[in-house]
Amino acid sequence: SAVISQKPSRDICQRGTSLTIQCQVDSQVTMMFWYRQQPGQSLTLIATANQGSEATYESGFVIDKFPISRPNLTFSTLTVSNMSPEDSSIYLCSVRDGSYEQYFGPGTRLTVT
Amino acid sequence: EDQVTQSPEALRLQEGESSSLNCSYTVSGLRGLFWYRQDPGKGPEFLFTLYSAGEEKEKERLKATLTKKESFLHITAPKPEDSATYLCAVPQAGTALIFGKGTTLSVSS
Repeated sequence: SAVISQKPSRDICQRGTSLTIQCQVDSQVTMMFWYRQQPGQSLTLIATANQGSEATYESGFVIDKFPISRPNLTFSTLTVSNMSPEDSSIYLCSVRDGSYEQYFGPGTRLTVT
Repeated sequence: EDQVTQSPEALRLQEGESSSLNCSYTVSGLRGLFWYRQDPGKGPEFLFTLYSAGEEKEKERLKATLTKKESFLHITAPKPEDSATYLCAVPQAGTALIFGKGTTLSVSS
């Protein structure tokens, strides 16, 4: 399976600021996804990162708040914009190639004060 | 609407006390059912994929089984290092996974 890394692993940010999270994969993958896991909750899909085109967002998530880039088949970024304490979560990227199996990165733990 | 429900929410076991976790699902056209293990503050670690009713997969003290409506994760003689949250998920058509809320397992020595 692909090896996935994320940067930063954690951060503490002030409300109103933005944070960009990077996801790097050690091989080319067809699909990349971004998930959010709020404290004590399960994972919720934010969007599918499409290579060379705009991301596909799930209901309740918008591009202005969570802009996503995917310039190639091994890299993606998620920005959390104009943060509020409600954005405090673990943000996870995942990859899928071929089958439906998905593999996750280690996550970015974000705390907004 | 596709749905995944896990039970119990939390399970406390003594070391060596076997038990099972349940994952019931409703999905239009099963494309697989996945089990993950998640340690606190970390990303989910892939455990198993099950594709058809009757299928079983094993890994160390864990065995996953699948029926047409639910999956079980059996834990035989657990150890404290098996303590984690166990998540099951099913893929929706074409895109991502629907996750259950997970079962948090605590194994004490």
